[in-house]
Amino acid sequence: EPEVTQTPSHQVTQMGQEVILRCVPISNHLYFYWYRQILGQKVEFLVSFYNNEISEKSEIFDDQFSVERPDGSNFTLKIRSTKLEDSAMYFCASSGQFLAKNIQYFGAGTRLSVL
Amino acid sequence: GIQVEQSPPDLILQEGANSTLRCNFSDSVNNLQWFHQNPWGQLINLFYIPSGTKQNGRLSATTVATERYSLLYISSSQTTDSGVYFCAVDRIFNAGGTSYGKLTFGQGTILTVHP
Repeated sequence: EPEVTQTPSHQVTQMGQEVILRCVPISNHLYFYWYRQILGQKVEFLVSFYNNEISEKSEIFDDQFSVERPDGSNFTLKIRSTKLEDSAMYFCASSGQFLAKNIQYFGAGTRLSVL
Repeated sequence: GIQVEQSPPDLILQEGANSTLRCNFSDSVNNLQWFHQNPWGQLINLFYIPSGTKQNGRLSATTVATERYSLLYISSSQTTDSGVYFCAVDRIFNAGGTSYGKLTFGQGTILTVHP
């Protein structure tokens, strides 16, 4: 079964450093998402991406965050200057359908630890 | 935005017991997904069920869209069922043909199954 792949599984960084989290969505999918989950809390929406542009973003997704689809397969989330509070699990998701049956498939996540 | 409430917050069972998890949501939805988050943090898709009833082995789910709730049934629970169960919903706004597909998650139900 096709799956969403995320790398790395765990990223440790120093506060103030830039990180790039990488995702390979399911190949024929058109809609891409990033979510995050702070330890012990619920999963929160960050951003959705369609047709090479951001469709919607949450209040969390401030100027420190950016997303990109640099080629036909990768989808990245960049955090420019990490803060301690950015420590969380980051999930990439993708979906292929328009409106009907918009099932989102999630990757295994990248655990980001900011020291 | 849409509100999602899950109950109970915690559930402790003996192996072999049955359980029902509930998800209430505050508005009409186009998508409802149930996830199991395993001890490694992975989000496993259980059901896509915006309405109706589905079954998959020992798990089944029912969504009554008109009354804005969904139920997840786990029968003959096993220790491997332990983890956090999340309900997530999505309202899709069809503006100019773009689907936003932002999933809003509930707080989850922490299930612990003892041998």
